[in-house]
Amino acid sequence: EAEVAQSPRYKITEKSQAVAFWCDPISGHATLYWYRQILGQGPELLVQFQDESVVDDSQLPKDRFSAERLKGVDSTLKIQPAELGDSAMYLCASSLGLAGSEQYFGPGTRLTVT
Amino acid sequence: EDKVVQSPLSLVVHEGDTVTLNCSYEVTNFRSLLWYKQEKKAPTFLFMLTSSGIEKKSGRLSSILDKKELFSILNITATQTGDSAVYLCAVGTDSWGKLQFGAGTQVVVTP
Repeated sequence: EAEVAQSPRYKITEKSQAVAFWCDPISGHATLYWYRQILGQGPELLVQFQDESVVDDSQLPKDRFSAERLKGVDSTLKIQPAELGDSAMYLCASSLGLAGSEQYFGPGTRLTVT
Repeated sequence: EDKVVQSPLSLVVHEGDTVTLNCSYEVTNFRSLLWYKQEKKAPTFLFMLTSSGIEKKSGRLSSILDKKELFSILNITATQTGDSAVYLCAVGTDSWGKLQFGAGTQVVVTP
């Protein structure tokens, strides 16, 4: 069964360092999402791509976060510099992109900033 | 501002009990409502609801949507310890499939 792949699964970094996460969506899924999930809360959308274009990055802290999906397939989310408050689970999801369609989630990257 | 509110925040039940979880929403452009189950990993899809009054069932789980009163319920009957998880409700709000999630309900099923 096709799955969303993410790496790394765990990352520990010191504050002010740069960190990057990678996501490979299910083949054929045009829409890719990056979420941040703080313990005890639901996922919060950071950025949404349709193919290689950003369609929503209204909640992305653009002073330190960046995301790209250059060829419309896999994607990278970067944080520079990392802050203590960035400690969270970073989830990637993909879907066919139709209105209200099901999103399939990857295993996530657990980030700890020390 | 779009809001999705789940209740209760957490509950503990005994195996065999029935559980009812609530999800209410206030969004400007409703497209669908989805339920996910999250154990100590990524959320897994349970149901998607778009029409009022039509119950969706999968084994011991069922869900229904009321678009007039703006809420959905998720029922779990004959609970098992494997049902212990966080149950997330999410509302689809635009044509690109954007989801607004609630905070989740933590369910603990004790033997």
